[in-house]
Amino acid sequence: AQSVTQPDIHITVSEGASLELRCNYSYGATPYLFWYVQSPGQGLQLLLKYFSGDTLVQGIKGFEAEFKRSQSSFNLRKPSVHWSDAAEYFCAVVREGNAGNMLTFGGGTRLMVKP
Amino acid sequence: DAGITQSPRHKVTETGTPVTLRCHQTENHRYMYWYRQDPGHGLRLIHYSYGVKDTDKGEVSDGYSVSRSKTEDFLLTLESATSSQTSVYFCAISEPLGGNIQYFGAGTRLSVL
Repeated sequence: AQSVTQPDIHITVSEGASLELRCNYSYGATPYLFWYVQSPGQGLQLLLKYFSGDTLVQGIKGFEAEFKRSQSSFNLRKPSVHWSDAAEYFCAVVREGNAGNMLTFGGGTRLMVKP
Repeated sequence: DAGITQSPRHKVTETGTPVTLRCHQTENHRYMYWYRQDPGHGLRLIHYSYGVKDTDKGEVSDGYSVSRSKTEDFLLTLESATSSQTSVYFCAISEPLGGNIQYFGAGTRLSVL
């Protein structure tokens, strides 16, 4: 069965520091990969997506993610974190050819930003 | 929230009562989904719809039913609410030709006492 693992439940970084959030997935075929962000009391907003092609993808709010097939990973990065980045981040996958476009989510990583 | 309205936004109910949550979209997207969000579990799919009157189960469908009588509305019903169904419920929509991107509503916080 497909699964997505986000090993870090909580991460705290200082404002201005770099950030990397980890995501690992288990699939046999090529997945479609996503990162979503959820601010408190809000729905999920798409940060970026990977379907094919260049394995380094750029998203909104200065985020990027790199797809590494050999490691089954899709880690999210940002070079300099802002206080407004404090939120919960979810990695998700859609299995290619899945007629229902069903997403499988990781458990989420809550990011806290220190002043 | 991409033209998605969930109602109500908050609800408190008692064990054993029926509850219906509504998702309304103005985007004319073919697919609609209901998820529940619980700490440590991310979002888990309850049911989804791939067209009017066409629905299927997700990974946590027990105790839930859905209906879709028109493109814009997708209803989630808890026939007899239990405390384990206390959660935040999210509706999402997507279009098959839209790159598998799902867009989410703002959520409904349901408490079953």
